Amino acid sequence: GQQLNQSPQSMFIQEGEDVSMNCTSSSIFNTWLWYKQDPGEGPVLLIALYKAGELTSNGRLTAQFGITRKDSFLNISASIPSDVGIYFCAGLYNNNDMRFGAGTRLTVKP
Amino acid sequence: DAGITQSPRHKVTETGTPVTLRCHQTENHRYMYWYRQDPGHGLRLIHYSYGVKDTDKGEVSDGYSVSRSKTEDFLLTLESATSSQTSVYFCATYREEKGELFFGEGSRLTVL
Repeated sequence: GQQLNQSPQSMFIQEGEDVSMNCTSSSIFNTWLWYKQDPGEGPVLLIALYKAGELTSNGRLTAQFGITRKDSFLNISASIPSDVGIYFCAGLYNNNDMRFGAGTRLTVKP
Repeated sequence: DAGITQSPRHKVTETGTPVTLRCHQTENHRYMYWYRQDPGHGLRLIHYSYGVKDTDKGEVSDGYSVSRSKTEDFLLTLESATSSQTSVYFCATYREEKGELFFGEGSRLTVL
């Protein structure tokens, strides 16, 4: 199935900076999920979004479900070194129709 | 955390040999999935299950089979491994009440 368009592919930032990334699709979704994956580990669920326009926070992370239901955004505020990793999105239409972004690789320089 | 355990975590095998990867969950989730993750491709669905003995193919199912004889276990079998099946395999379960998808820690398979 067609995957999601996630950007940017990679980011190099200084500690303390804010980060934004997004996922877009030509299809609508009923749920958006955001994950973080560390090297050699499985993806860990960070935030789940269920309604168009919904804005949800988890600590320094904030994510939004786009109004059109075709996109979602993740922001990380005041980045720290342990934020390093790959972040990716998942759009779910139902329990057997799920699409994934290719990931944004985040590097944080102390 | 959905209590997902994958085994083995690492395996090296030779072309033509059969390989079985196991996924065990403790949350009684009805839906379970096998994905492979490769550079440049992201996560791609191999097979999924929607209940005991109920399975269906994903987008990259050729060369793979699955079985689910118990709610908690979902097995992925490569009947005759090929080098193109070298990958990291992830099992996932779906929490229907909250629409959340959880992943295991992955099984890295190398086919020589």
